[in-house]
Amino acid sequence: DAGVIQSPRHEVTEMGQEVTLRCKPISGHNSLFWYRQTMMRGLELLIYFNNNVPIDDSGMPEDRFSAKMPNASFSTLKIQPSEPRDSAVYFCASSLPQDTGELFFGEGSRLTVL
Amino acid sequence: AQSVTQLGSHVSVSEGALVLLRCNYSSSVPPYLFWYVQYPNQGLQLLLKYTSAATLVKGINGFEAEFKKSETSFHLTKPSAHMSDAAEYFCAVSEGGANNLFFGTGTRLTVIP
Repeated sequence: DAGVIQSPRHEVTEMGQEVTLRCKPISGHNSLFWYRQTMMRGLELLIYFNNNVPIDDSGMPEDRFSAKMPNASFSTLKIQPSEPRDSAVYFCASSLPQDTGELFFGEGSRLTVL
Repeated sequence: AQSVTQLGSHVSVSEGALVLLRCNYSSSVPPYLFWYVQYPNQGLQLLLKYTSAATLVKGINGFEAEFKKSETSFHLTKPSAHMSDAAEYFCAVSEGGANNLFFGTGTRLTVIP
């Protein structure tokens, strides 16, 4: 089975530009999570969806960040406008309906904002 | 509310030596506990999990962890380190559900040849 698929793996952009990160969860998983990882702050949960519905977005840093999940097999995380402090690795993860707390992570999207 | 403390942000061991990575948790209810491993430039992957069955949990790659309620600990061990074990290890606790998962700050393991 394919794991969680994220794209792009690497993105370099300039401050002020729009960035869109994409995620395809594992088929049959009904929860999807977006995390951000930095050296300073470690792993931070940004938002999670259950059955395509955003349940908790309290971790989203500010209005420049938005996330959508139009269907069970696709989600996007958008940053507009991007700032240098948004530079990080963004991970998407999905989980099984049984909900034991086990997450399946993608390989991440490394974002550099110049 | 639950939390996780990982003692030591960096641990170095010689190849063939015992690996011990420490994790203490705080939880108001019987927790689910996890260890995840992150290899360079990769996402996190599950190493092992405790879900209230046996207190000694065996995971992949020869790792195991023991749940000790009296010490609120879930330390990760491996009898003999291999070069391929060099990675970052995260302890995590949940009081129920993947949406309620709290990660520790991670411990970077270096294996010295």
